[in-house]
Amino acid sequence: QKEVEQNSGPLSVPEGAIASLNCTYSDRGSQSFFWYRQYSGKSPELIMSIYSNGDKEDGRFTAQLNKASQYVSLLIRDSQPSDSATYLCAARTGNQFYFGTGTSLTVIP
Amino acid sequence: ETGVTQSPTHLIKTRGQQVTLRCSSQSGHNTVSWYQQALGQGPQFIFQYYREEENGRGNFPPRFSGLQFPNYSSELNVNALELDDSALYLCASSPAGTAYEQYFGPGTRLTVT
Repeated sequence: QKEVEQNSGPLSVPEGAIASLNCTYSDRGSQSFFWYRQYSGKSPELIMSIYSNGDKEDGRFTAQLNKASQYVSLLIRDSQPSDSATYLCAARTGNQFYFGTGTSLTVIP
Repeated sequence: ETGVTQSPTHLIKTRGQQVTLRCSSQSGHNTVSWYQQALGQGPQFIFQYYREEENGRGNFPPRFSGLQFPNYSSELNVNALELDDSALYLCASSPAGTAYEQYFGPGTRLTVT
């Protein structure tokens, strides 16, 4: 079983819509969770981190964490074509970091 | 403020050879991690260095080794290269005193033939 699992997609949403990206993790000892955006041919770019149950908002992005369900999500409001990328979910357990395979998002103009 | 830098950008090596990849951390960052990203996959954690000591390691064989220097720059060394080592190698640094938010460099594309 993979440590972090994501639906690989592709996920397509129209411009202006809300994109919802999901991630589950297997280790209940995981302490911190991160969302990264990766454009094709580029390195991952940190969007936001979350450590406590509940929601965390940063601009158009909202991360949600449910430790009981071992579930992390990222909502992107007012999606723009420039949001088209692969979104990577990551979990930290101690000094180990685990990334999912990423979800490909396409925002259609 | 200078971000994380890596060198070289691209590298081609032959199976069995050894390679050294380099990373300069972002200013104020004292922790560096290395990742291997195969095409279509997420980054795989190789190891992390803090204060010049390895303090975390993923499921990679001992032929993957590293160093961190007093200025927090780092090297990844891979011995006895195999074809499956072909990948994008990413370095990520973390600021001192934060909860492990990592910032990635542009990566080194390694091709083993």
